[in-house]
Amino acid sequence: DAGITQSPRHKVTETGTPVTLRCHQTENHRYMYWYRQDPGHGLRLIHYSYGVKDTDKGEVSDGYSVSRSKTEDFLLTLESATSSQTSVYFCAIRRGGGPMDEQFFGPGTRLTVL
Amino acid sequence: KNEVEQSPQNLTAQEGEFITINCSYSVGISALHWLQQHPGGGIVSLFMLSSGKKKHGRLIATINIQEKHSSLHITASHPRDSAVYICAATIIQGAQKLVFGQGTRLTINP
Repeated sequence: DAGITQSPRHKVTETGTPVTLRCHQTENHRYMYWYRQDPGHGLRLIHYSYGVKDTDKGEVSDGYSVSRSKTEDFLLTLESATSSQTSVYFCAIRRGGGPMDEQFFGPGTRLTVL
Repeated sequence: KNEVEQSPQNLTAQEGEFITINCSYSVGISALHWLQQHPGGGIVSLFMLSSGKKKHGRLIATINIQEKHSSLHITASHPRDSAVYICAATIIQGAQKLVFGQGTRLTINP
């Protein structure tokens, strides 16, 4: 347990509505990541952060934005949710600062866009 | 072609059997990870390795850097081992991003 929580854990929303998912960590790690997990695709990186206000895109960033105003929180926003964004979203932190560091995952958020 | 490929995608076995899940990668990596995900559950790190072999209980992970291949073995498999096993590679460049295989769904029948 690396002190990672995600909220909400489940959400159902309608197409076109904005949605924000929150990832919170208690250990002050620098690197945080947002992934989505879909059948047939596995886990894919959406965005990541390497410090407060420092973020970058992953391989499936279209339709998503992120913000990190303080070390412990990394927010993922869907500005206008679409059905293709129905997925399970995982946040992760990287413990340490080198190439042999492990990533630890939050419990996930199941998002359904109707 | 995915940078990390796993096989098989699905595996069903009887309790007690020796299980092998394979992972091949095509990029330069600094570490190879094996993760476990139970149905409806979170993702747990089993191993992280950059060379050789690691063992934890009935689980063994090996990596061959020259062949860019890793295996996860489960000895004396048990129904509680039923889960999705995910191979992931830490890419050398950039922010140490992970690239994931698609996972192997393992079912162990009693």
